[in-house]
Amino acid sequence: QKEVEQNSGPLSVPEGAIASLNCTYSDRGSQSFFWYRQYSGKSPELIMFIYSNGDKEDGRFTAQLNKASQYVSLLIRDSQPSDSATYLCAVRGSKKLTFGTGTRLTIIP
Amino acid sequence: EAGVVQSPRYKIIEKKQPVAFWCNPISGHNTLYWYRQNLGQGPELLIRYENEEAVDDSQLPKDRFSAERLKGVDSTLKIQPAELGDSAVYLCASSSHRGQDTQYFGPGTRLTVL
Repeated sequence: QKEVEQNSGPLSVPEGAIASLNCTYSDRGSQSFFWYRQYSGKSPELIMFIYSNGDKEDGRFTAQLNKASQYVSLLIRDSQPSDSATYLCAVRGSKKLTFGTGTRLTIIP
Repeated sequence: EAGVVQSPRYKIIEKKQPVAFWCNPISGHNTLYWYRQNLGQGPELLIRYENEEAVDDSQLPKDRFSAERLKGVDSTLKIQPAELGDSAVYLCASSSHRGQDTQYFGPGTRLTVL
């Protein structure tokens, strides 16, 4: 089992709809969770982080964490073409930050 | 505030040649990371520094890779000799306190080994 798992996609979402990105992790002791956005040929850029169970909202982005299910998700409301990118889930365990392979999201105009 | 700076941005070398990458972290960030990202994969940690001390280098292939952060600020990652499989993007990141805070990435160095 991979430490951090994401569906590689591609995930296609119509413009204006909600994009839902999911991530599961194996280390129950993980304390903090991050979502990075990575445009093609660019480096990862932090979107959000979440530490506690529940939802955290920032503009059009909502991160959701369920530690009992070892599941974290990112919702993007009112999706825009500029949201088309690869979204990396990262989980901090006891020793390091581990990244998933990323989900490629395409917003269709 | 300036972000993480890396150079060069691109490097093409022949196999068995040496190569070095340089990173300057965000001012005041004590923790520095080197990652390698292969195509279609997430970044994988190579080494983490707390100031000038390498506190996690378990994933660094020590037979050919080396790194240093002599004064606790800039860092250099070296590969000698390079192999075809080393082709990847090498990312430097920094965070403010003992690896517990958010990591910010530099633009990366894209290495191609021919």
